Amino acid sequence: QVTLRESGPALVKPTQTLTLTCTFSGFSLSTSGVFVSWIRQPPGKALEWLALIDRDDHKYYNTSLKTRLTISKDTTQKQVVLTMTNIDPVDTATYYCARFMDHGDYFDHWGQGTLVTVSS
Amino acid sequence: QSALTQPASVSGSLGQSITISCTGTSSDVGSYNFVSWYQQHPGKAPKLMIYEVIKRPSGVSNRFSGSKSGNTASLTISGLQAEDEADYYCCSYAGSSTWVFGGGTSLTVL
Repeated sequence: QVTLRESGPALVKPTQTLTLTCTFSGFSLSTSGVFVSWIRQPPGKALEWLALIDRDDHKYYNTSLKTRLTISKDTTQKQVVLTMTNIDPVDTATYYCARFMDHGDYFDHWGQGTLVTVSS
Repeated sequence: QSALTQPASVSGSLGQSITISCTGTSSDVGSYNFVSWYQQHPGKAPKLMIYEVIKRPSGVSNRFSGSKSGNTASLTISGLQAEDEADYYCCSYAGSSTWVFGGGTSLTVL
């Protein structure tokens, strides 16, 4: 059974760095064609793709946010970490991690999401 | 990497069919058959409904179907049921190892 779970702070102050962890089970990031991705959704708004990492540690980022994002993985711990620097209130959102399948380009399993509020 | 364009809302009666459009450009939807659709109920995570334009994951009702013409992809739901009421998002590969979602469509079942 594939599961993903996001964890991290619920409240972050502006200008701080946000660190989120995705802990997954039921699959291996060492498998060809299996990636893990981060996607966010501001309250009442649309989904926004953020970043993706594969088994070879190739990293892909949303062009608009690239300078602020870093994605990394710990394959043995089955975790993928996303950091976002210089946080702003507009970054308030539910952050999801999801398994991405390269053979078809789709997000087939999602975590329940974690709401991050940016406020002083 | 601009968001794909979806109608903000659509509605249909029980048992009827509806279609949700997803318009991109020749750089994303028009160039790749990597369009997927997601259903999201309030307070829940998105659920994959369609991938590679027309394919349905195991367990998804065959009432859901996808298509594409030019820069526009579409999701059709036939035989509308109450549980289909949700938000729907399209997603496309946008080249250069980036992906873009649509603005979302709220489906109301009357």
